[in-house]
Amino acid sequence: DAKTTQPTSMDCAEGRAANLPCNHSTISGNEYVYWYRQIHSQGPQYIIHGLKNNETNEMASLIITEDRKSSTLILPHATLRDTAVYYCIVSRGGYNKLIFGAGTRLAVHP
Amino acid sequence: DTGVSQDPRHKITKRGQNVTFRCDPISEHNRLYWYRQTLGQGPEFLTYFQNEAQLEKSRLLSDRFSAERPKGSFSTLEIQRTEQGDSAMYLCASSTNTGESSGYTFGSGTRLTVV
Repeated sequence: DAKTTQPTSMDCAEGRAANLPCNHSTISGNEYVYWYRQIHSQGPQYIIHGLKNNETNEMASLIITEDRKSSTLILPHATLRDTAVYYCIVSRGGYNKLIFGAGTRLAVHP
Repeated sequence: DTGVSQDPRHKITKRGQNVTFRCDPISEHNRLYWYRQTLGQGPEFLTYFQNEAQLEKSRLLSDRFSAERPKGSFSTLEIQRTEQGDSAMYLCASSTNTGESSGYTFGSGTRLTVV
């Protein structure tokens, strides 16, 4: 599975959009981009995933560049409860296990 | 069945003792995974099961570690002769057999402290 690169940490003001970038320049054509987050002392939580097209659900939006070498997770109106570590993972899905990196620590402040 | 359950939530043990953790996955999920997470790091893959079959083990899983999933339902992870380096959060996750999958569901983990 391809590796990903994420900033170590980011800050965001409450109510503003949080845009979390991820580079995955070695992604293969059959690999998906998954995003998970982990709030302190809890297990990781699935957020969203995509292959080529942009995706949106009740939690977030995922924007994948046309060449698929990078993506951005968007939390449209960040709240204090969105403070967490966000992991960007590239995987073929299905039978293939998820390999986590260090993620981005997002701090949402009042 | 509302999620993945792990027991206990916390375990403190003396070095050299054996410990066992339990994971109850979502009932319709046939895949079960174990991860280990140390402070400031992302979860590291340890092993996974497809039903009762253990299909892959990480090199992180030394011979002191053993995992089972009898009857393809709950799973146990045993650590023998614990060492201080085993102190970590042990996470269990489950998923279905779908193609791209909507993702893993993780439990809240078992935090192990070896003193």
